[in-house]
Amino acid sequence: LAKTTQPISMDSYEGQEVNITCSHNNIATNDYITWYQQFPSQGPRFIIQGYKTKVTNEVASLFIPADRKSSTLSLPRVSLSDTAVYYCLVGNSNYQLIWGAGTKLIIKP
Amino acid sequence: ETGVTQTPRHLVMGMTNKKSLKCEQHLGHNAMYWYKQSAKKPLELMFVYNFKEQTENNSVPSRFSPECPNSSHLFLHLHTLQPEDSALYLCASSQGTGLFGDEQFFGPGTRLTVL
Repeated sequence: LAKTTQPISMDSYEGQEVNITCSHNNIATNDYITWYQQFPSQGPRFIIQGYKTKVTNEVASLFIPADRKSSTLSLPRVSLSDTAVYYCLVGNSNYQLIWGAGTKLIIKP
Repeated sequence: ETGVTQTPRHLVMGMTNKKSLKCEQHLGHNAMYWYKQSAKKPLELMFVYNFKEQTENNSVPSRFSPECPNSSHLFLHLHTLQPEDSALYLCASSQGTGLFGDEQFFGPGTRLTVL
């Protein structure tokens, strides 16, 4: 059963690139990796999803190495509004969705 | 606005009370979920419904009873809860059946306090 581990918190500054890494050593062959963002008083919101290599959309990139034991969410040129909690999720085909405990990202001016 | 609404947003109840949480999705999705979110802990998946049928129950105590009358509505009935059940309860929906981490759309949650 996959277990996801991510840093509790991170700080960065406006305009910087932020990388948040999640480890999932026991990921299964048919698991996908998904990242969500959560603001206070709101539910999580989908950011990006991938299986292997690299995925990019209009807000983020997701890097997954060949062994798939970790993944890195990359946020380019962050702003104050990117301050939030970011969750890594490994999707298991047995309906077991394994969430990380979340990384609290604080962006400073 | 995600297309998933939850009521009430806040609920305080005693351990002997019976209450219900309601979730409604306006997205035409086929799967609905209940999660428990406690401070500094991973989201805990409680129940999954696909096409109104319960397909997942992650060893949730019987004091939590879900109901899914149709694919747009989901309820969580609460009875004789414990103080440790105080948490944010999130509802979500997805287009698919939840396999492989379908994108889930979350409601804002119900903040539950059990006294």
